[in-house]
Amino acid sequence: DGGITQSPKYLFRKEGQNVTLSCEQNLNHDAMYWYRQDPGQGLRLIYYSQIVNDFQKGDIAEGYSVSREKKESFPLTVTSAQKNPTAFYLCASTWAGNTIYFGEGSWLTVV
Amino acid sequence: GQQVMQIPQYQHVQEGEDFTTYCNSSTTLSNIQWYKQRPGGHPVFLIQLVKSGEVKKQKRLTFQFGEAKKNSSLHITATQTTDVGTYFCAGPEASGSARQLTFGSGTQLTVLP
Repeated sequence: DGGITQSPKYLFRKEGQNVTLSCEQNLNHDAMYWYRQDPGQGLRLIYYSQIVNDFQKGDIAEGYSVSREKKESFPLTVTSAQKNPTAFYLCASTWAGNTIYFGEGSWLTVV
Repeated sequence: GQQVMQIPQYQHVQEGEDFTTYCNSSTTLSNIQWYKQRPGGHPVFLIQLVKSGEVKKQKRLTFQFGEAKKNSSLHITATQTTDVGTYFCAGPEASGSARQLTFGSGTQLTVLP
């Protein structure tokens, strides 16, 4: 089946650790996104990538890093510089600015 | 930068009552998209409006895009418990990249049986 796969679904991080969230899509979409959602809040853009080997910062990129080495993959690293990383992270993709398809999300908790 | 506001933030209705959420952008949009997120789930695409003044219907849901392409609304007639969730609008700036969507803050709908 075509879609976006995020892993892990739940992740616990100790303070000071970097963690990486995986996002893979088999929809052949050019553009991919990472959003952060806090409880009861909207979606805030962290990073987006329109083509392989290129990405741009969104509204809240500080403390995060990404790579886009393959069209299908857009992993997000939450670094120790992100002081309040506990949130729901959503990966998404789209083709030519049409409908955005979301993955099922990853819950990150700092312990 | 572009800002997209939605009101109300929360809405509780009795089952069978109507519901409306409003979306306002600080800049002109090339299109407006609506998404629904069920509790604990991920946003799912509902519809896209492109033309100024466009109105589209999906069963009990009616979507409108304003004449100036800066505002939109979603109206649900005779709500059901299956309508529970958060409704988001999103749109790319008319002058920006079509692939950079800004999402509204969402309206969380609760339907009481």
